[in-house]
Amino acid sequence: DIQMTQSPSFLSASVGERVTLSCRASQNINKYLDWYQQKLGEAPKLLIYNTNNLHTGIPSRFSGSGSGTDYTLTISSLQPEDVATYFCLQRNSWDTFGAGTKLELK
Amino acid sequence: QVQLKETGPGLVQPTQTLSITCTVSGFSLTSYYMQWVRQTPGKGLEWMGFIRSGGSTEYNSEFKSRLSISRDTSKNQVFLKMNSLKTEDTGVYYCARKVRGTGVMDAWGQGASVTVSS
Repeated sequence: DIQMTQSPSFLSASVGERVTLSCRASQNINKYLDWYQQKLGEAPKLLIYNTNNLHTGIPSRFSGSGSGTDYTLTISSLQPEDVATYFCLQRNSWDTFGAGTKLELK
Repeated sequence: QVQLKETGPGLVQPTQTLSITCTVSGFSLTSYYMQWVRQTPGKGLEWMGFIRSGGSTEYNSEFKSRLSISRDTSKNQVFLKMNSLKTEDTGVYYCARKVRGTGVMDAWGQGASVTVSS
């Protein structure tokens, strides 16, 4: 089974700051990597699929990159509504989620 | 407008069977796969299994022996049944639409909270 490791587990940042979240797979996942945002009490919401494709309606301040085993979600200018937990998901071999990065405002 | 909604029992006793229904609107079950994902305090988010647009199923080996996924396309409903529940199965159960061909889960229900307790 492919394991997904997210870092950091917790991040505190200021409004307007550039934020980078990481996800590492235990083996090559061929860019089959998605990012989800989950706000408290809500279902996960798709932000980015296949590493760098922005889902419909998602603000352009969100972007993704990566290849092989290492992937990144970047928020170019953090907004108050971005407070949430962010999960990565690999779909190269069945589905495996990361444990999440909890993002809060400083 | 694409909508998914899970309905479940809320509380289930250990060893009993969990049944959850996902009712969808705004799209056809014959055009998309439907996946069940759960979120538990102990293991976080886990895919449980899915039913393809043609009706065949795949299950996570972790749940294979006690999980069944089925559907009624005439009612736009997908069903999850899992037996031999344990306290560790307590969590939120989501149904999600999975795009055929890509496997991307692009729409989720709001989740059904399940507590396994006597």
